[in-house]
Amino acid sequence: AQKITQTQPGMFVQEKEAVTLDCTYDTSDQSYGLFWYKQPSSGEMIFLIYQGSYDEQNATEGRYSLNFQKARKSANLVISASQLGDSAMYFCAMAPKLMEYGNKLVFGAGTILRVKS
Amino acid sequence: NAGVTQTPKFQVLKTGQSMTLQCAQDMNHNSMYWYRQDPGMGLRLIYYSASEGTTDKGEVPNGYNVSRLNKREFSLRLESAAPSQTSVYFCASRKGEAPSYEQYFGPGTRLTVT
Repeated sequence: AQKITQTQPGMFVQEKEAVTLDCTYDTSDQSYGLFWYKQPSSGEMIFLIYQGSYDEQNATEGRYSLNFQKARKSANLVISASQLGDSAMYFCAMAPKLMEYGNKLVFGAGTILRVKS
Repeated sequence: NAGVTQTPKFQVLKTGQSMTLQCAQDMNHNSMYWYRQDPGMGLRLIYYSASEGTTDKGEVPNGYNVSRLNKREFSLRLESAAPSQTSVYFCASRKGEAPSYEQYFGPGTRLTVT
């Protein structure tokens, strides 16, 4: 069965520091995608970053990077230079069988990040 | 370009009542999805539609039905609401072609069943 595990229910980080949010996954598929979404207190789901299982380089999007370790089945999100606006819930998600039409997302339980000034 | 829109934003139902949640996307995406989010949990897939004319069950389909009305619209129906269906419901869409694998989400519908 496909599963995403986020072991950190909550995290604190000082403004301007970097923070790593952990995510491990379980799948037997060879082709899959890993995603991170941000959910601020307003409730919307905001796409942050994507990593394909066959991508050799770690994905980066501005201050977000994904530390992909395929052998360990981990896809940690690194946020550099944290800002107060980064305070939110963060979800790791996986799309097994990435190329399959209508591909579905499996979500982790989320990590609440609080940025302190 | 509104992206993914959902109506209503909030709804309160009594046990046994029925209602339909509406979702529309203007990005010409092929696939559409309905998820529910309960406190302390990630999103769980209720139903999805890989393309116009097809629908399939997700992880938690019991108590729901869906209709893919056309390429733009995908509705979720609760025939006889139960308190266990109190949740936040998200609709999402996805182009389904490389390199755009991410799903885009609507703002959500907060449903309370009393």
